[in-house]
Amino acid sequence: AQKITQTQPGMFVQEKEAVTLDCTYDTSDPSYGLFWYKQPSSGEMIFLIYQGSYDQQNATEGRYSLNFQKARKSANLVISASQLGDSAMYFCAMREDLHYNQGGKLIFGQGTELSVKP
Amino acid sequence: DVKVTQSSRYLVKRTGEKVFLECVQDMDHENMFWYRQDPGLGLRLIYFSYDVKMKEKGDIPEGYSVSREKKERFSLILESASTNQTSMYLCASSSDLAKNIQYFGAGTRLSVL
Repeated sequence: AQKITQTQPGMFVQEKEAVTLDCTYDTSDPSYGLFWYKQPSSGEMIFLIYQGSYDQQNATEGRYSLNFQKARKSANLVISASQLGDSAMYFCAMREDLHYNQGGKLIFGQGTELSVKP
Repeated sequence: DVKVTQSSRYLVKRTGEKVFLECVQDMDHENMFWYRQDPGLGLRLIYFSYDVKMKEKGDIPEGYSVSREKKERFSLILESASTNQTSMYLCASSSDLAKNIQYFGAGTRLSVL
């Protein structure tokens, strides 16, 4: 079974509009962390935002916010006021703390390719 | 600012060659990781290290080895490169395993002919 599911292979958004990228996860571990990374065509994976499973509030970092719905096991990324430079692949990832002894391995989803239209 | 540097952006090697991929981080991070990224397969963990001279196998260690002689440097070694090791290789580091926010380098696109 997929641990991280990103159901949108590709998305388009108009410049200056907001966009939501979906991510659902599957874990029985009560303690875990959720991450979003951006990968432009240049290849570098850029860390965007982190949410811990026990964090009470949704994480925000500038134009990025994470809509964390624990009961639904979803961790959607919201990008406000899209810019042309936001065009990239976006990956959702999870750390399960039962796997702490395995180095805190991150499990990545398949990614969503976002294209921002001028 | 966080900085993870991979020695090469692009490499072309021949089957059977010994290949070294180098990764250096300047953040004094304890943990370092090597992934490969392939279309349709996502990122897969090859090896990681949580201390100097320590290494742990990830999900796909076969055909690879690693070396961590200094805290800032983590090397991935392909002992005898094969065509199925053609891939994008990404190095990452993190300061602690509690949050384990990993910071990545720019990646190395390796082609084995």
